[in-house]
Amino acid sequence: DVKVTQSSRYLVKRTGEKVFLECVQDMDHENMFWYRQDPGLGLRLIYFSYDVKMKEKGDIPEGYSVSREKKERFSLILESASTNQTSMYLCASSLTGTGEANTEAFFGQGTRLTVV
Amino acid sequence: AQTVTQSQPEMSVQEAETVTLSCTYDTSENNYYLFWYKQPPSRQMILVIRQEAYKQQNATENRFSVNFQKAAKSFSLKISDSQLGDTAMYFCAFMSYNTDKLIFGTGTRLQVFP
Repeated sequence: DVKVTQSSRYLVKRTGEKVFLECVQDMDHENMFWYRQDPGLGLRLIYFSYDVKMKEKGDIPEGYSVSREKKERFSLILESASTNQTSMYLCASSLTGTGEANTEAFFGQGTRLTVV
Repeated sequence: AQTVTQSQPEMSVQEAETVTLSCTYDTSENNYYLFWYKQPPSRQMILVIRQEAYKQQNATENRFSVNFQKAAKSFSLKISDSQLGDTAMYFCAFMSYNTDKLIFGTGTRLQVFP
């Protein structure tokens, strides 16, 4: 059974703290993603990684950075948390390459982050 | 840049009835995939159905089917015989052949009533 695991379901952090959100997948997928989900805004892509140590900015990368030192792990870092980063964060992974069977993205259960 | 638009923030349907969720998208590309994902209250996002743009036949998965109109850039989801377990957020998503990035719409919250 495929699995994407996010380290926390709920997290409360203080303004200015450095925050790490961890995501691990056990499917040997090349691609990994971090999305932010807000009511009325849907899922917005923060960062995307298509290989170890490779990353690409998404639509809203400001205030975030990522790390992918191993294929199975993709970390999202909030360098200095702010209240406007209070949100639901979703990690996903997928295979690369063409072919309809490779297109499905698998998601973690999300981390609801509150910055106070 | 590609965009995905879902114009219905909320919808409701009675159990056993049929409901259609709308989605439009904008792209200049010719080769791409379209998806519907479901996010129930448990928050676990799962794939409902997908369509490859070059295929003219509409995709179906049991009670779920799509109406794909490539020229109109429209991709609606039809849920037949609605069940209480269909209550969820539904997201339409786009992915081009050139990139593996999924671009999502804003979602439609579907409530199925007994």
